[in-house]
Amino acid sequence: EDKVVQSPLSLVVHEGDTVTLNCSYEVTNFRSLLWYKQEKKAPTFLFMLTSSGIEKKSGRLSSILDKKELFSILNITATQTGDSAVYLCAVGDSNYQLIWGAGTKLIIKP
Amino acid sequence: DGGITQSPKYLFRKEGQNVTLSCEQNLNHDAMYWYRQDPGQGLRLIYYSQIVNDFQKGDIAEGYSVSREKKESFPLTVTSAQKNPTAFYLCASSTRTSGRDLYEQYFGPGTRLTVT
Repeated sequence: EDKVVQSPLSLVVHEGDTVTLNCSYEVTNFRSLLWYKQEKKAPTFLFMLTSSGIEKKSGRLSSILDKKELFSILNITATQTGDSAVYLCAVGDSNYQLIWGAGTKLIIKP
Repeated sequence: DGGITQSPKYLFRKEGQNVTLSCEQNLNHDAMYWYRQDPGQGLRLIYYSQIVNDFQKGDIAEGYSVSREKKESFPLTVTSAQKNPTAFYLCASSTRTSGRDLYEQYFGPGTRLTVT
């Protein structure tokens, strides 16, 4: 059965810290890996990665995919209170469906 | 502004009653999805539709029904057969062109359903 596992389930850090969120997967027909941020209601898209070793960057956020070891990490540097959210990882399969992880709840303390 | 709307935001029902959750999009997307989100769990796919008048069951379709009569609308009915209907329901849509667009889904604000 396809699955996506995120760790840790929750994380509390102080403003200015750097955090690393993990996503491992076992998906038979892998096509892409996506990261979303969910603050209160609707998840919003952050990154999509399809090739191993490609690092995506957007300001203080970056993500790497390792297709050999079947995982991805999301890094956030110089964290701010506005980064507090649930970060969701999803893997897209050959049927264009997304298999979702349970998320990592990140709390940034001032 | 283009986007997805879901209504209502909060919904309360008595056990045994059917309830319909609304989802409308003006993004001109072909594909639409319904997910259920429970605490500590990932999003689970209930139903999805890739074109008008066609839809497929997701992983947890039992106790739910949908229709797709218009491209813009994809209502979800939670029937009395759904054993644990209390949850947060998210509607999403995506285009059907190519590349990243196939996987990037846009979400509505969700409906929190409580059944007592």
